[in-house]
Amino acid sequence: GQQLNQSPQSMFIQEGEDVSMNCTSSSIFNTWLWYKQEPGEGPVLLIALYKAGELTSNGRLTAQFGITRKDSFLNISASIPSDVGIYFCAGRNTNAGKSTFGDGTTLTVKP
Amino acid sequence: EAQVTQNPRYLITVTGKKLTVTCSQNMNHEYMSWYRQDPGLGLRQIYYSMNVEVTDKGDVPEGYKVSRKEKRNFPLILESPSPNQTSLYFCASSSPTGGLNEQFFGPGTRLTVL
Repeated sequence: GQQLNQSPQSMFIQEGEDVSMNCTSSSIFNTWLWYKQEPGEGPVLLIALYKAGELTSNGRLTAQFGITRKDSFLNISASIPSDVGIYFCAGRNTNAGKSTFGDGTTLTVKP
Repeated sequence: EAQVTQNPRYLITVTGKKLTVTCSQNMNHEYMSWYRQDPGLGLRQIYYSMNVEVTDKGDVPEGYKVSRKEKRNFPLILESPSPNQTSLYFCASSSPTGGLNEQFFGPGTRLTVL
């Protein structure tokens, strides 16, 4: 099946620093999604991207849908302690019921 | 309050003893899914359903069954659980109208099979 490679696996940063993480796929997706999971909870959608080349922001978060449709990037600016969690990318195609998730990036922010 | 509920939240069982994890949503969503989450492997889709009586396999369906007799419920059935099914399970729901890609996730069920 389709696979998503998400990197880095983990990040340890100081409060105030910017963060970048990315996701690459061996095949094309029509939709890219970014989720955040906090301890003891299910993932929550942060940003959804629908078109190749699209750049979308949600507060301090910015995500881009790669031109090739095989990759996506998430940036977090001026990180704060509550940004701590696991960030997942996910891809979807025309079968909207089927989703493929990356392995996650665990973010730790030191005050 | 719009939500996805799962029961039980925690379960310890033994190999071979059939179990069911229930999932219910109150948002009238057409789509529902089950995922398992394992360390270093992210979320892997087990089964999904695009409407009542319509189910399909995800990436890791072996050892699991599902049913969708009603729109709001999507139970996950393990007929003969094995230790490699020890995992954290999430149910999710979404709608093809409005927020197509906003999947709402339940709180998770932590299953241990001894």
